[in-house]
Amino acid sequence: EPEVTQTPSHQVTQMGQEVILRCVPISNHLYFYWYRQILGQKVEFLVSFYNNEISEKSEIFDDQFSVERPDGSNFTLKIRSTKLEDSAMYFCASTERTAQTFGSGTRLTVV
Amino acid sequence: SQQGEEDPQALSIQEGENATMNCSYKTSINNLQWYRQNSGRGLVHLILIRSNEREKHSGRLRVTLDTSKKSSSLLITASRAADTASYFCATDPVWNQGGKLIFGQGTELSVKP
Repeated sequence: EPEVTQTPSHQVTQMGQEVILRCVPISNHLYFYWYRQILGQKVEFLVSFYNNEISEKSEIFDDQFSVERPDGSNFTLKIRSTKLEDSAMYFCASTERTAQTFGSGTRLTVV
Repeated sequence: SQQGEEDPQALSIQEGENATMNCSYKTSINNLQWYRQNSGRGLVHLILIRSNEREKHSGRLRVTLDTSKKSSSLLITASRAADTASYFCATDPVWNQGGKLIFGQGTELSVKP
């Protein structure tokens, strides 16, 4: 069964450093998403991406965040200058139409 | 309350029993989806029910949707220890721009052998 692949599975970074989280969505999917889940809390929407541009972003997705689809397969989330409160599990998801397929996540720890 | 709230927050049952989890939401939706998350892992899509559907089955899962009450329930029959996980409902609101899902807080299910 096709799956969404995320790398790395775990990243530890120093506060203020830039991180890039990578995702390979399912190949025939057109809509891409990033969500995050702070430990013990619910999953929160960050950004949606369609047709090579952001279609919607949440209040969390401020100027420190950016997304890119640099080629036909990868979808990346960059955090420019990480803060302690960015520590969370970050999930990538993709869909062809409705049901979203999620990756297994990247656990980001900012120290 | 926020869109997509589950109750109970935690549920502990014995293997073989049925588990029922409820979800309430605030605004009109296109569909409602249930996801499962094993501890510290990714989200696995279980079932999607559209706003014009009232009930859906998938294996041991039964989902109902009552749009007049803005609520849904997930029933897992004959539970197994392997069903131990967190279960989230997620709504796709009609006012959605980019197809995002709005998740609830989740129900933590523990099935004891």
